[in-house]
Amino acid sequence: DVKVTQSSRYLVKRTGEKVFLECVQDMDHENMFWYRQDPGLGLRLIYFSYDVKMKEKGDIPEGYSVSREKKERFSLILESASTNQTSMYLCASKSHGQGVRPPYGYTFGSGTRLTVV
Amino acid sequence: GENVEQHPSTLSVQEGDSAVIKCTYSDSASNYFPWYKQELGKRPQLIIDIRSNVGEKKDQRIAVTLNKTAKHFSLHITETQPEDSAVYFCAASKGGGSYIPTFGRGTSLIVHP
Repeated sequence: DVKVTQSSRYLVKRTGEKVFLECVQDMDHENMFWYRQDPGLGLRLIYFSYDVKMKEKGDIPEGYSVSREKKERFSLILESASTNQTSMYLCASKSHGQGVRPPYGYTFGSGTRLTVV
Repeated sequence: GENVEQHPSTLSVQEGDSAVIKCTYSDSASNYFPWYKQELGKRPQLIIDIRSNVGEKKDQRIAVTLNKTAKHFSLHITETQPEDSAVYFCAASKGGGSYIPTFGRGTSLIVHP
């Protein structure tokens, strides 16, 4: 019962290429997120979105942009890929929730391992 | 903003032993503390969480404790099994749907048969 789907599991791109990473969720969640995961650094937030057509910068937005044209889809864009963007990219979604109604936990996608050569 | 420290970064135990992973947080307004387990090559999955109005929560072999005064919370795994081997992440947030959790850097737990 896959609920957050990332379009590619592995990608190899060349330096300078424009790269699109796609994420789709089927849980009608308002919130969607893009993280990158690197050994010893944990999960670092790149961008997130509370609603369609809105976006907010996370902790490491430089070199990235995002697009959310539909509620279920959140795309991460590497404008000009560089070798230091080689990483595992994780998409996640979360219900907005109201008051104290649980859950507030994330549902993650399986990740896209991007290699920039 | 919130800062979450997680220790240890690596934990190696023998099957059947207990394992404890500790996290501290800085923002006293944080009130929701989830734990995620990420097996090799798989997505992180929520395994247990605790809200600040309780001090402990158990689910079979795993438990989480919270000390609000000291601003730390811990994951306890009893009777460890090889399938518990994974990276575990703690997180802290102010709860509610619109708050973004801050994650710890992760603990790699290795359970030796």
